[in-house]
Amino acid sequence: QVQLVQSGAEVKKPGASVTVSCKTSGYTFTSYYMHWVRQAPGQGLEWMGIINLSGGTTGYAQKFQGRVTMTRDTSTSTVYMELSSLRSEDTALYYCARSSGWYSIDYWGQGTLVSVSS
Amino acid sequence: QTVVTQEPSLTVSPGGTVTLTCASSTGAVTSGYYPHWFQQKPGQAPNSLIYSTTNKHSWTPARFSGSLLGGKAALTLSGVLPEDEADYYCLLYYGGAQVFGTGTRVTVL
Repeated sequence: QVQLVQSGAEVKKPGASVTVSCKTSGYTFTSYYMHWVRQAPGQGLEWMGIINLSGGTTGYAQKFQGRVTMTRDTSTSTVYMELSSLRSEDTALYYCARSSGWYSIDYWGQGTLVSVSS
Repeated sequence: QTVVTQEPSLTVSPGGTVTLTCASSTGAVTSGYYPHWFQQKPGQAPNSLIYSTTNKHSWTPARFSGSLLGGKAALTLSGVLPEDEADYYCLLYYGGAQVFGTGTRVTVL
């Protein structure tokens, strides 16, 4: 069965960077895309970007351009999302979500809490 | 900045029908926006219900259906059950980026 298992919670100071991983199993890794979505406490969902797991090409929401980097390791079927220059407003649950192409999100990871505090 | 607007909250009786809508600040929503719908219950990750306007996943209950209605994307819940009480989010594609709606809290009362 398809599984997306994310890394554990992180606590970071303002200005630092964080990397969240999403280890996948149960399907052909390079046949899909992966989205990253975040949700601040008590708030709605926010789309951050997408990576093509075959070629590694990415597309980021304008809000995160220059601060986010999405990569993948095909040897371990793992996807990574790095967010830099963290500020308190980046405190949120971060989710990975699989899609076949841009238009069909299906499975989600369990979420990773990133807390940013001095 | 593109804004995708949903009803903040809706209340429905058990067994009833409710329709949620998803509007774009850029104009009418068409199939080219590939609307998605997600359900999220407290403390859980979102659950994918609908993609590309009308398509259901294998796990999507038959009582959920997607459509286009009056220039908006729509999600209709028919024969509502108590476990359908949740937050619902739409997602629209804008040619290189995607934007979530503001979310609708559905209360079953």
